[in-house]
Amino acid sequence: ELKVEQNPLFLSMQEGKNYTIYCNYSTTSDRLYWYRQDPGKSLESLFVLLSNGAVKQEGRLMASLDTKARLSTLHITAAVHDLSATYFCAANNAGNMLTFGGGTRLMVKP
Amino acid sequence: NAGVMQNPRHLVRRRGQEARLRCSPMKGHSHVYWYRQLPEEGLKFMVYLQKENIIDESGMPKERFSAEFPKEGPSILRIQQVVRGDSAAYFCASSPDTSYGYTFGSGTRLTVV
Repeated sequence: ELKVEQNPLFLSMQEGKNYTIYCNYSTTSDRLYWYRQDPGKSLESLFVLLSNGAVKQEGRLMASLDTKARLSTLHITAAVHDLSATYFCAANNAGNMLTFGGGTRLMVKP
Repeated sequence: NAGVMQNPRHLVRRRGQEARLRCSPMKGHSHVYWYRQLPEEGLKFMVYLQKENIIDESGMPKERFSAEFPKEGPSILRIQQVVRGDSAAYFCASSPDTSYGYTFGSGTRLTVV
């Protein structure tokens, strides 16, 4: 059974600082997703990582994937208040079902 | 091209009533997935459907919950005799096939009082 764990669960940062969210998954998966969710809203797709060593960047966010370690990271550079949200990683099972991590609630303080 | 449409956005039901949640996938998408999100938690897979077929319902509670995706019309997630523990956000997602990631709808927030 595929299990996905994220840490930390809660992250309070100052604006301008860097930090990394970690996502571990328990069994082989061929795709790793990162989503953003604002309170009361749906999930916004941020990144899809398909292969070992994949790195994708969008603005202040950069995601990477190490399939051997079964680890993905979401790195935040020079955080700004607008990045405050909950971030989820998810890995896919056979048949395209996703198993989600518990989420990381990010709060960026001025 | 409209995204995945879910309605209603908010639904309040008394204990013992039935809840019907609707999901219209994106145009050209024949794969539909339902997920449930309890407060302060991640999403949990419930059921995966293709037109007129349930492909995987391993995440669906055995009683009171059912799902369908008819040839015509939206996918329906039906919860009979709702209980307080059913209060959650229910998200639908669709994809054109299994090699694609998918797009989530805005969700239906069910409150059981």
